[in-house]
Amino acid sequence: DVKVTQSSRYLVKRTGEKVFLECVQDMDHENMFWYRQDPGLGLRLIYFSYDVKMKEKGDIPEGYSVSREKKERFSLILESASTNQTSMYLCASSAQGYSNQPQHFGDGTRLSIL
Amino acid sequence: GQNIDQPTEMTATEGAIVQINCTYQTSGFNGLFWYQQHAGEAPTFLSYNVLDGLEEKGRFSSFLSRSKGYSYLLLKELQMKDSASYLCAVREDSNYQLIWGAGTKLIIKP
Repeated sequence: DVKVTQSSRYLVKRTGEKVFLECVQDMDHENMFWYRQDPGLGLRLIYFSYDVKMKEKGDIPEGYSVSREKKERFSLILESASTNQTSMYLCASSAQGYSNQPQHFGDGTRLSIL
Repeated sequence: GQNIDQPTEMTATEGAIVQINCTYQTSGFNGLFWYQQHAGEAPTFLSYNVLDGLEEKGRFSSFLSRSKGYSYLLLKELQMKDSASYLCAVREDSNYQLIWGAGTKLIIKP
């Protein structure tokens, strides 16, 4: 089974702090994604990566950056946390190749910015 | 532009059948996914459709009509554990991104 592990289930930080969310997958997937999920808005893509050291902006990249130094690890960075970044953050990975490859998700990090 | 529509909430009775609809308008189409998400948990993959027709997987089936931009997820013999949100997502082209609907919260009553 695919395992996507996010470093924290719950996190509380203060406004202005630099926040790191870590994600590791164990299935050698090329693709990795960071989403945020807010009530009524569905999943919104922040950043994604197709390969090591590659990154692409999603729909809402402002205020975030990412790092992918190793294939299995994809980190999301909030450069200077703000209260409007309070949300559920979900990491996902998927294989390349056939179009039927689903994305597999981690358990999520519920981040609160005070 | 891109748009995926699903009902916000549905209620059904244990043991019954429910159909959750999803309509989409996208610039391209390369497959449609259904996911289940229990409250506070990660979405889990249920089904994938790329050709017109019905795909059956136990109590769950998914249907696609590409000409109508329409899909539905059919859940039979509903159980209390089926209470969850159901997310519809479309792969628009050959890249690996998905466009997500806001999800349908399904409430099962005894």
